[in-house]
This record gives sequence, C-alpha cells and structure tokens, in this order.
Amino acid sequence: GENVEQHPSTLSVQEGDSAVIKCTYSDSASNYFPWYKQELGKRPQLIIDIRSNVGEKKDQRIAVTLNKTAKHFSLHITETQPEDSAVYFCAASKGSGGYQKVTFGTGTKLQVIP
Amino acid sequence: GAVVSQHPSRVICKSGTSVKIECRSLDFQATTMFWYRQFPKKSLMLMATSNEGSKATYEQGVEKDKFLINHASLTLSTLTVTSAHPEDSSFYICSAAAGGGLFYGYTFGSGTRLTVV
Repeated sequence: GENVEQHPSTLSVQEGDSAVIKCTYSDSASNYFPWYKQELGKRPQLIIDIRSNVGEKKDQRIAVTLNKTAKHFSLHITETQPEDSAVYFCAASKGSGGYQKVTFGTGTKLQVIP
Repeated sequence: GAVVSQHPSRVICKSGTSVKIECRSLDFQATTMFWYRQFPKKSLMLMATSNEGSKATYEQGVEKDKFLINHASLTLSTLTVTSAHPEDSSFYICSAAAGGGLFYGYTFGSGTRLTVV
C-alpha cells in the first residue's frame, strides 16, 4: 500500500519567515495530494491541494510543489503569522471520482513565534 | 461548500456498552465516507471505507465486529463501537468526498471524542 512520510515533525519559525514541510510517497499511481491544517481540538481543514498533472500551485501565502519523478511534494508558507500555528498533514490519494483512498503523513507541528 | 456533520462531538460511556457515531453529508451525496481514528499528537489513521449500500472495507488490524459501520444512505454513515473498552478511547473523525465524477477533495466532520470509563 501507499506510504507517506512527512518531515519535520516539529517546526518553529519566527513570524514573517517562511516554513517548508516535505512529504514523500511510495505509490506512483497516487494522483491527488491535499494538505490539511488542524488546529487543536478541531477538524482538519483542506488548505491547498495539487493533482499529479500539475507541478506547482499557489494560493496567496501558501504554495505546494510536486515532483512526480522523485515522488515528493512540499508545502511552502511564506510570511508566516501566529495564526499559522497548527499541525499540518500531507496526504496522497489515488483513484477517481468520489472514491479515493487517502493516506496521511504523520503531521508537522508548526509553531510561529511572534 | 460541502459540509459534513458529525455527532456527538463528545461522549463518555461505560466499559462494555456500545456507542454510535453519525456522519452526515448535508449538502451533497457521498457514496463513500471514510472513518479515521486519531490518537493524541498522532496522525489520522484510516479505519475503514464506508460504501453506500455495501459492506465497509476495513483496514488491516481493525476489528470488523468491534467497529460496525453502516452506510444506509447517500448522506449518512454510522460507526458503532461495540462493547467499548478504555483502550477504545480516542478521537474518531469521518470524511466524505464530494464532486461526483470530478474529485474536489475531502471534507471532514468535526470529530467525536470518545472516553470509555
């Protein structure tokens, strides 16, 4: 089955600096890669996603890159703010339509220091 | 956007009793829902995939008879923890995919904090 590894497990940055979280996956058939942000005690929220036919996607301060050859993808947060502090999960998914089996990474706890 | 409602948000039960958790897609039809378990400071672990009108597909190591899943309609899936024990205490969360033929991503329920005493 799919195996998703995520690094680092914890990350502390100063407010205004950039944060990068990296994930690797094992199944070359995976075609959808979402990133989730989970604040303490709350549900995971989708923040950005990328499909296998795209190499990079950006949404304001958040960007995701995908290298299919190397089977790794990364989340980039620029100009970090204290409210960015949360646990971030990457995921890899394959399938089509409404059925896709998703495998989550182990999570990265991001702390933005004011 | 797609909304998934999950309840109860918190439940405390005695050992040996059963607890039912409901997951509803409010504004879309979800032929497939997923049930996860999350331990403190840990990632989401997929327990089973719930398919409307058919038996759920369980991940390796998840007891089918202990975690009963019923996907009775296109908008409702239930997870019943039977004969609960303290080690079943955890955060359970469901998710569903919207979009029909084009996958738009997952929406999570708000989760259920189960405490077995």
